[in-house]
Amino acid sequence: GQQLNQSPQSMFIQEGEDVSMNCTSSSIFNTWLWYKQDPGEGPVLLIALYKAGELTSNGRLTAQFGITRKDSFLNISASIPSDVGIYFCAGQLYTGNQFYFGTGTSLTVIP
Amino acid sequence: DADVTQTPRNRITKTGKRIMLECSQTKGHDRMYWYRQDPGLGLQLIYYSFDVKDINKGEISDGYSVSRQAQAKFSLSLESAIPNQTALYFCATSDLRQPDQPQHFGDGTRLSIL
Repeated sequence: GQQLNQSPQSMFIQEGEDVSMNCTSSSIFNTWLWYKQDPGEGPVLLIALYKAGELTSNGRLTAQFGITRKDSFLNISASIPSDVGIYFCAGQLYTGNQFYFGTGTSLTVIP
Repeated sequence: DADVTQTPRNRITKTGKRIMLECSQTKGHDRMYWYRQDPGLGLQLIYYSFDVKDINKGEISDGYSVSRQAQAKFSLSLESAIPNQTALYFCATSDLRQPDQPQHFGDGTRLSIL
């Protein structure tokens, strides 16, 4: 199956700091998604990207679809304690195909 | 009520036992999926179904089987559970009419096999 490499694996940051994480693939994807998973819950969609170069925001979150179509980036500005969780990227090779998930970035925000 | 409901939420059982995890959805979606999540790993696809008569193997289907009893119900079975099947299991749905749209996940079933 496809492998999505997500980095970093974990982050420990102070409240108020900005966060950046990325996801890379050896294949070209036509859709990139970013999910957040809170403890004891299923992943919840944060941002969906459908076009190379696309930059989309959702509140303090901004994600970009890389121009090579092999990567995507998620930034969180001015982090707060409730940002704690595991962030997953997911990619789709072509419309109708399954989504492949990255290994996740665990974020800890220190008040 | 949750759109995607998984039962049970937690289960502890012994090696060799048969186990069924159930998933039901009220979203009216045609597509349903079962994933497995292990610590430090992403979600791995076990099986997926695009409609009631359609069942497809995912990346890690060995040791598992599924049944799509109705559009709204998709169950995952472990015929003879083994300890390395201890994991967090997620059901998800998506809309056939919007194949590039994201999947919606249940809250998971934590399965421990002793």
